[in-house]
Amino acid sequence: EDQVTQSPEALRLQEGESSSLNCSYTVSGLRGLFWYRQDPGKGPEFLFTLYSAGEEKEKERLKATLTKKESFLHITAPKPEDSATYLCAVARAGTALIFGKGTTLSVSS
Amino acid sequence: DAGVIQSPRHEVTEMGQEVTLRCKPISGHNSLFWYRQTMMRGLELLIYFNNNVPIDDSGMPEDRFSAKMPNASFSTLKIQPSEPRDSAVYFCASSLERTGELFFGEGSRLTVL
Repeated sequence: EDQVTQSPEALRLQEGESSSLNCSYTVSGLRGLFWYRQDPGKGPEFLFTLYSAGEEKEKERLKATLTKKESFLHITAPKPEDSATYLCAVARAGTALIFGKGTTLSVSS
Repeated sequence: DAGVIQSPRHEVTEMGQEVTLRCKPISGHNSLFWYRQTMMRGLELLIYFNNNVPIDDSGMPEDRFSAKMPNASFSTLKIQPSEPRDSAVYFCASSLERTGELFFGEGSRLTVL
Protein backbone atom coordinates (compact mmCIF):
# COMPACT_ATOMS: atom_id res chain seq x y z
CA GLU A 1 0.00 0.00 0.00
CA ASP A 2 1.25 3.47 -0.89
CA GLN A 3 2.29 5.46 2.16
CA VAL A 4 3.62 8.94 2.80
CA THR A 5 4.91 9.73 6.29
CA GLN A 6 6.08 13.15 7.38
CA SER A 7 8.14 13.99 10.44
CA PRO A 8 8.14 15.70 12.77
CA GLU A 9 4.43 16.53 13.13
CA ALA A 10 5.33 19.93 14.54
CA LEU A 11 8.54 21.94 14.65
CA ARG A 12 9.30 25.13 16.53
CA LEU A 13 12.32 27.19 15.47
CA GLN A 14 13.84 30.48 16.40
CA GLU A 15 14.33 32.93 13.56
CA GLY A 16 17.59 32.05 11.82
CA GLU A 17 17.69 28.49 13.19
CA SER A 18 18.02 26.17 10.18
CA SER A 19 16.41 22.72 10.13
CA SER A 20 14.95 20.02 7.90
CA LEU A 21 11.57 18.38 7.43
CA ASN A 22 11.36 14.75 6.38
CA CYS A 23 8.99 12.93 4.01
CA SER A 24 9.44 9.19 3.67
CA TYR A 25 7.43 7.25 1.13
CA THR A 26 6.68 3.78 -0.13
CA VAL A 27 5.16 3.81 -3.57
CA SER A 28 5.67 1.72 -6.65
CA GLY A 29 6.46 3.56 -9.82
CA LEU A 30 7.01 7.04 -8.42
CA ARG A 31 6.12 9.67 -11.00
CA GLY A 32 6.99 12.66 -8.84
CA LEU A 33 7.23 14.00 -5.32
CA PHE A 34 5.58 17.31 -4.52
CA TRP A 35 5.97 19.81 -1.70
CA TYR A 36 3.15 22.20 -0.80
CA ARG A 37 2.80 24.96 1.74
CA GLN A 38 -0.53 25.51 3.52
CA ASP A 39 -1.37 28.61 5.54
CA PRO A 40 -4.25 28.51 8.08
CA GLY A 41 -7.64 28.76 6.39
CA LYS A 42 -6.13 28.44 2.91
CA GLY A 43 -5.67 25.73 0.33
CA PRO A 44 -2.25 24.14 -0.21
CA GLU A 45 0.09 26.10 -2.45
CA PHE A 46 2.61 24.39 -4.72
CA LEU A 47 6.32 24.72 -3.93
CA PHE A 48 8.35 22.05 -5.76
CA THR A 49 8.23 18.89 -7.82
CA LEU A 50 11.08 16.39 -7.76
CA TYR A 51 11.20 13.53 -10.24
CA SER A 52 14.31 11.47 -9.63
CA ALA A 53 16.75 10.56 -6.85
CA GLY A 54 19.49 13.11 -6.51
CA GLU A 55 17.40 15.99 -7.77
CA GLU A 56 17.38 19.24 -5.80
CA LYS A 57 15.30 22.40 -6.12
CA GLU A 58 15.57 25.72 -4.32
CA LYS A 59 13.27 28.65 -3.68
CA GLU A 60 14.38 31.46 -1.40
CA ARG A 61 15.16 29.85 1.99
CA LEU A 62 13.79 26.44 0.99
CA LYS A 63 15.63 23.56 -0.66
CA ALA A 64 14.05 20.22 -1.46
CA THR A 65 16.03 17.04 -2.06
CA LEU A 66 15.00 13.52 -3.08
CA THR A 67 16.39 10.03 -2.51
CA LYS A 68 14.84 6.69 -3.42
CA LYS A 69 13.01 6.49 -0.10
CA GLU A 70 12.63 9.99 1.23
CA SER A 71 12.66 13.70 0.60
CA PHE A 72 13.89 16.52 2.76
CA LEU A 73 12.79 20.11 2.86
CA HIS A 74 15.67 22.15 4.21
CA ILE A 75 14.88 25.56 5.66
CA THR A 76 17.85 27.89 5.95
CA ALA A 77 17.71 30.86 8.32
CA PRO A 78 13.90 30.79 8.57
CA LYS A 79 11.80 33.87 9.18
CA PRO A 80 8.43 34.14 10.96
CA GLU A 81 6.69 34.33 7.57
CA ASP A 82 7.88 30.80 6.85
CA SER A 83 5.46 29.56 9.53
CA ALA A 84 2.97 27.22 7.85
CA THR A 85 2.13 23.57 7.39
CA TYR A 86 4.31 21.87 4.80
CA LEU A 87 2.76 18.96 2.94
CA CYS A 88 4.49 16.27 0.94
CA ALA A 89 2.69 14.29 -1.77
CA VAL A 90 3.60 11.51 -4.19
CA ALA A 91 2.29 10.70 -7.63
CA ARG A 92 2.34 7.35 -9.34
CA ALA A 93 0.81 6.09 -12.52
CA GLY A 94 -2.95 5.79 -12.50
CA THR A 95 -3.72 7.73 -9.33
CA ALA A 96 -4.00 11.25 -8.05
CA LEU A 97 -1.58 12.72 -5.53
CA ILE A 98 -1.32 10.97 -2.16
CA PHE A 99 -0.55 13.40 0.66
CA GLY A 100 1.22 13.04 3.98
CA LYS A 101 -0.30 14.61 7.10
CA GLY A 102 2.14 17.48 7.07
CA THR A 103 4.62 19.20 9.36
CA THR A 104 3.49 22.37 11.09
CA LEU A 105 6.37 24.81 11.34
CA SER A 106 6.38 27.74 13.75
CA VAL A 107 9.18 30.29 13.54
CA SER A 108 9.42 32.84 16.33
CA SER A 109 11.38 36.09 16.25
CA ASP B 1 -6.10 35.10 -13.22
CA ALA B 2 -8.93 33.50 -11.28
CA GLY B 3 -7.90 30.42 -9.39
CA VAL B 4 -10.08 27.50 -8.35
CA ILE B 5 -13.30 28.88 -6.91
CA GLN B 6 -15.23 27.02 -4.25
CA SER B 7 -18.53 27.77 -2.58
CA PRO B 8 -19.71 28.03 0.07
CA ARG B 9 -16.64 28.85 2.17
CA HIS B 10 -18.44 27.84 5.33
CA GLU B 11 -21.49 25.66 5.85
CA VAL B 12 -23.13 24.76 9.13
CA THR B 13 -25.97 22.27 8.92
CA GLU B 14 -27.81 19.75 11.01
CA MET B 15 -27.45 16.02 10.80
CA GLY B 16 -29.63 14.55 8.08
CA GLN B 17 -29.62 17.60 5.85
CA GLU B 18 -28.34 17.62 2.28
CA VAL B 19 -25.11 19.50 1.59
CA THR B 20 -23.90 20.60 -1.84
CA LEU B 21 -20.40 21.95 -2.36
CA ARG B 22 -19.47 23.64 -5.61
CA CYS B 23 -16.26 24.09 -7.56
CA LYS B 24 -15.17 26.01 -10.64
CA PRO B 25 -11.75 24.80 -11.86
CA ILE B 26 -9.16 26.88 -13.64
CA SER B 27 -10.06 27.32 -17.28
CA GLY B 28 -8.15 24.90 -19.51
CA HIS B 29 -7.40 22.38 -16.78
CA ASN B 30 -8.65 18.92 -17.66
CA SER B 31 -8.35 17.17 -14.29
CA LEU B 32 -10.42 17.99 -11.21
CA PHE B 33 -10.01 16.56 -7.72
CA TRP B 34 -12.03 16.58 -4.51
CA TYR B 35 -10.06 16.16 -1.27
CA ARG B 36 -11.20 16.17 2.35
CA GLN B 37 -8.93 17.41 5.16
CA THR B 38 -9.24 16.58 8.85
CA MET B 39 -6.75 16.78 11.70
CA MET B 40 -6.83 13.03 12.19
CA ARG B 41 -6.50 11.85 8.59
CA GLY B 42 -4.94 14.78 6.78
CA LEU B 43 -5.76 15.33 3.10
CA GLU B 44 -7.65 12.39 1.61
CA LEU B 45 -8.60 12.02 -2.04
CA LEU B 46 -12.33 11.50 -2.49
CA ILE B 47 -12.70 11.43 -6.26
CA TYR B 48 -11.08 12.78 -9.38
CA PHE B 49 -12.27 13.50 -12.90
CA ASN B 50 -10.36 13.61 -16.14
CA ASN B 51 -12.05 15.41 -19.02
CA ASN B 52 -15.28 15.48 -16.97
CA VAL B 53 -15.29 11.68 -16.52
CA PRO B 54 -14.93 10.19 -13.02
CA ILE B 55 -11.75 8.11 -12.98
CA ASP B 56 -11.31 7.03 -9.38
CA ASP B 57 -14.02 7.34 -6.73
CA SER B 58 -12.55 4.75 -4.37
CA GLY B 59 -12.03 7.44 -1.76
CA MET B 60 -15.73 8.34 -1.53
CA PRO B 61 -16.68 7.23 2.01
CA GLU B 62 -20.04 5.69 1.24
CA ASP B 63 -23.18 6.03 -0.83
CA ARG B 64 -24.11 9.21 0.98
CA PHE B 65 -21.44 10.98 -1.06
CA SER B 66 -21.80 11.72 -4.76
CA ALA B 67 -19.93 13.95 -7.18
CA LYS B 68 -20.71 15.23 -10.64
CA MET B 69 -18.93 17.20 -13.31
CA PRO B 70 -21.53 18.15 -15.92
CA ASN B 71 -19.08 20.30 -17.88
CA ALA B 72 -15.47 21.43 -17.86
CA SER B 73 -16.16 24.47 -15.71
CA PHE B 74 -18.26 23.11 -12.87
CA SER B 75 -18.34 20.28 -10.36
CA THR B 76 -20.42 19.46 -7.29
CA LEU B 77 -19.90 17.25 -4.27
CA LYS B 78 -23.11 16.26 -2.53
CA ILE B 79 -23.63 14.64 0.86
CA GLN B 80 -27.06 13.27 1.60
CA PRO B 81 -27.84 12.73 4.42
CA SER B 82 -25.04 14.50 6.26
CA GLU B 83 -23.60 13.19 9.53
CA PRO B 84 -21.41 14.84 12.21
CA ARG B 85 -18.42 12.73 11.12
CA ASP B 86 -18.56 14.46 7.74
CA SER B 87 -17.37 17.68 9.39
CA ALA B 88 -14.14 18.64 7.63
CA VAL B 89 -12.65 21.05 5.11
CA TYR B 90 -13.38 19.98 1.56
CA PHE B 91 -10.94 21.12 -1.11
CA CYS B 92 -11.34 21.17 -4.84
CA ALA B 93 -8.22 21.25 -7.01
CA SER B 94 -7.53 21.25 -10.72
CA SER B 95 -4.53 20.52 -12.90
CA LEU B 96 -3.45 20.29 -16.49
CA GLU B 97 -2.72 16.60 -16.09
CA ARG B 98 -3.47 13.90 -13.56
CA THR B 99 -0.05 13.76 -11.95
CA GLY B 100 0.90 17.35 -12.41
CA GLU B 101 0.88 20.32 -10.11
CA LEU B 102 -2.46 20.77 -8.36
CA PHE B 103 -4.02 24.18 -7.88
CA PHE B 104 -6.28 24.23 -4.83
CA GLY B 105 -9.27 26.34 -3.97
CA GLU B 106 -9.68 27.99 -0.58
CA GLY B 107 -11.81 25.10 0.68
CA SER B 108 -15.31 24.69 2.07
CA ARG B 109 -15.45 24.20 5.83
CA LEU B 110 -18.40 21.96 6.69
CA THR B 111 -19.77 21.58 10.19
CA VAL B 112 -22.55 19.06 10.74
CA LEU B 113 -24.27 19.42 14.12
